[in-house]
Amino acid sequence: SYDLSQPSSVSVSPGQTASITCSGDKLGDKYAFWYQQKSGQSPVLVIYKDTKRPSGIPERFSGSNSGNTATLTISGTQAMDEADYYCQVWDSSVVFGGGTKLTVL
Amino acid sequence: EVQLVQSRAEVKKPGESLKISCEGSGYNFTSYWIGWVRQMPGKGLQLMGIIYPGDSDTRYSPSFQGQVTISADKSISTAYLQWRSLKASDTGIYYCARLTPPTGGDYWGQGTLVTVSS
Repeated sequence: SYDLSQPSSVSVSPGQTASITCSGDKLGDKYAFWYQQKSGQSPVLVIYKDTKRPSGIPERFSGSNSGNTATLTISGTQAMDEADYYCQVWDSSVVFGGGTKLTVL
Repeated sequence: EVQLVQSRAEVKKPGESLKISCEGSGYNFTSYWIGWVRQMPGKGLQLMGIIYPGDSDTRYSPSFQGQVTISADKSISTAYLQWRSLKASDTGIYYCARLTPPTGGDYWGQGTLVTVSS
């Protein structure tokens, strides 16, 4: 089965740039998707097909994917961005990464 | 407006059976995969399986094969997740999501909390 690895936690100061990575074998050959899950809420799609933002997602969210690593970047991080973030790919079925807790402090 | 509305929270005893539901509206239910995702307390997202309501093509993640049954009734735009014999370790929140390769999980249900305790 296909495995995706994420750091368990990332910390960032308000206004700074947060980068969350997702690693997998030849991940760049697949499309990566990213979800934000705030405490007590359902996940929300923030990036699809590596770099695209769904309607309503702020421009400060961006994505990239190359080689074995996909990256979610949040520019000008705000307190409201504090959440768990999950990467996901399709590999015969759906595979999620283990999730990264983003702390804004 | 696309919506996925899940059934209410359940409290069950070990060994009991359970079937929870996810009703889609606002789109062609038969044309998009629906996935069931487990989130155990304090843990991450785990895909249990996916179903394509148009032809009921169903795929289970290895960890959940034989443990649950996923089905769909396209006549009422509803997907189901079923257990024959619950265990305490089945306690968690279960989400359904519209999952499509081009766009990912673009819509999610509100989640169904399942508590299994004697």
